[in-house]
Amino acid sequence: DVKVTQSSRYLVKRTGEKVFLECVQDMDHENMFWYRQDPGLGLRLIYFSYDVKMKEKGDIPEGYSVSREKKERFSLILESASTNQTSMYLCASSFPSQSEQFFGPGTRLTVL
Amino acid sequence: GEDVEQSLFLSVREGDSSVINCTYTDSSSTYLYWYKQEPGAGLQLLTYIFSNMDMKQDQRLTVLLNKKDKHLSLRIADTQTGDSAIYFCAETRFSGGYNKLIFGAGTRLAVHP
Repeated sequence: DVKVTQSSRYLVKRTGEKVFLECVQDMDHENMFWYRQDPGLGLRLIYFSYDVKMKEKGDIPEGYSVSREKKERFSLILESASTNQTSMYLCASSFPSQSEQFFGPGTRLTVL
Repeated sequence: GEDVEQSLFLSVREGDSSVINCTYTDSSSTYLYWYKQEPGAGLQLLTYIFSNMDMKQDQRLTVLLNKKDKHLSLRIADTQTGDSAIYFCAETRFSGGYNKLIFGAGTRLAVHP
């Protein structure tokens, strides 16, 4: 059974804090993705990675960075959290030859 | 336009059919997907259709694809309360050297008795 896990389901942080969201997949997928989901806007791609130590900006990378030190793990970093980063964050992974993505359960982040 | 578009809400009576519509933008999309998101959960793949197909049926689900109009629909027969969820359509788009999924805003399906 394929599995993408995210470190927290709910997270509350204060403005200015550094925030780490972790994602782990056990499917040996090369590609990993971070999205944020907001009502009425659907999913928007923040960053993705197609290999270890490789990263590419998505559509809304501002205010975020990522780290991919191991194939199975992809971290999203908010260097200095702001209230407009309150959102649901979804991680996904896939094989490079396939466009189907497998999603984690999501992390609902609230920045106060 | 650039966006994948869906209506935001749909309300149906239990036992009726639900039809969720989507328009996409990239005529070269190889696959089009429907994902389902239940409350508090991530997205799970519901079904997909290859771009050279017009229709795909999978139990209670029927996907129709009109490539000329770039229109995709998902029909759920005999809708049940367990079908209440947000449904996202997504197209594949080749951009910047990579295949990406572009999602619609999601249609919230409410099933009432």
